[in-house]
Amino acid sequence: GAGVSQSPRYKVAKRGQDVALRCDPISGHVSLFWYQQALGQGPEFLTYFQNEAQLDKSGLPSDRFFAERPEGSVSTLKIQRTQQEDSAVYLCASSPRTSRNTGELFFGEGSRLTVL
Amino acid sequence: EDQVTQSPEALRLQEGESSSLNCSYTVSGLRGLFWYRQDPGKGPEFLFTLYSAGEEKEKERLKATLTKKESFLHITAPKPEDSATYLCAVMDTNDYKLSFGAGTTVTVRA
Repeated sequence: GAGVSQSPRYKVAKRGQDVALRCDPISGHVSLFWYQQALGQGPEFLTYFQNEAQLDKSGLPSDRFFAERPEGSVSTLKIQRTQQEDSAVYLCASSPRTSRNTGELFFGEGSRLTVL
Repeated sequence: EDQVTQSPEALRLQEGESSSLNCSYTVSGLRGLFWYRQDPGKGPEFLFTLYSAGEEKEKERLKATLTKKESFLHITAPKPEDSATYLCAVMDTNDYKLSFGAGTTVTVRA
């Protein structure tokens, strides 16, 4: 069966470039999360969508980061004017549950971003 | 702020050599504690949820236990295919997002 799909799997950007990372969650999953994982660290929360509504964006590191999920399915994480500290793996996760029942997540394989 | 500390950072085991991983946590109120497995180049894969002290969950060679301050993941008679990074995460009662530890990387040699 189809799991969470992320693209591109690898992205190399020059400092200052804009990048867009795509996430296709499991069909019908209401909740969608973006996490950032630095090398050797655990994932850190970026933002949360319930259907098309972005309920929490408190983890986004700066206003250069923007996420959307306009139709409640596919989501895009956009990073403007990339910096070297943005280099990380960006993980998308979805869940059929909402709000406080979202601990059991289905993760994609991630998009590895390298900023030169 | 929720805090999760995992130890050791790395664990090298011989096949069949049982061991335990530790996850110490600090939360204002625990909604759930979660264990995930992550293989290199992959996203985390859900293993267990524990909700209250004294609870235990098992899956094949893995058993997770929970106290009020920490959780243990016991690996019994591990096989090389158990090699992975094991991540612990907590969810606060007032929240819906996971706070992860840095993980324990387990390597099992044949």
